[in-house]
Amino acid sequence: QKEVEQDPGPLSVPEGAIVSLNCTYSNSAFQYFMWYRQYSRKGPELLMYTYSSGNKEDGRFTAQVDKSSKYISLFIRDSQPSDSATYLCAMTVGVLGVQGAQKLVFGQGTRLTINP
Amino acid sequence: SQTIHQWPATLVQPVGSPLSLECTVEGTSNPNLYWYRQAAGRGLQLLFYSVGIGQISSEVPQNLSASRPQDRQFILSSKKLLLSDSGFYLCAWRGAVNTEAFFGQGTRLTVV
Repeated sequence: QKEVEQDPGPLSVPEGAIVSLNCTYSNSAFQYFMWYRQYSRKGPELLMYTYSSGNKEDGRFTAQVDKSSKYISLFIRDSQPSDSATYLCAMTVGVLGVQGAQKLVFGQGTRLTINP
Repeated sequence: SQTIHQWPATLVQPVGSPLSLECTVEGTSNPNLYWYRQAAGRGLQLLFYSVGIGQISSEVPQNLSASRPQDRQFILSSKKLLLSDSGFYLCAWRGAVNTEAFFGQGTRLTVV
């Protein structure tokens, strides 16, 4: 079983729709949760970052974490064609015996297309 | 502000040739540094991470190695490339404990 599971899609929705992207994880030691957006042939770009259960909002984006269910979500409101990209969830876990070290583990990424 | 540089952007190398990809970070000290590989349409596979000069941890056995000769420099190398080494290689950094990670723009490697 992978540590982080993410539906690879592809996901295609009309412009203006609300998009829900999700990841589940198995390691309860994961501490920090991030969502990245990656355009084709580019490096991932950080969208949202959170460490506690609950919601965090930034413009049209809302990140939701439920640590009891080991489930995180990213919601995109009023989706735009420019939101078309691959979205990756990522989580950090400390490395035993190495102070300050954190491993970043990624989901597979969900390919999203917003149709005008 | 902090920035991360990764080069080259694209590279085509013959099988059996050596490889050296470089990543440097500016504007921070003692970052955690990471090398990832992304196969077409796939997620990111962690290859190496480093918490300090000369400290390298490898995640998967492979034909690659990494080195950190300076605090803000991370190098990915191979002595003899295989076809299976083709992919999109990404370098990332994060600061002190409890901060998010940032990526370079990646190197697209094609081994022919």
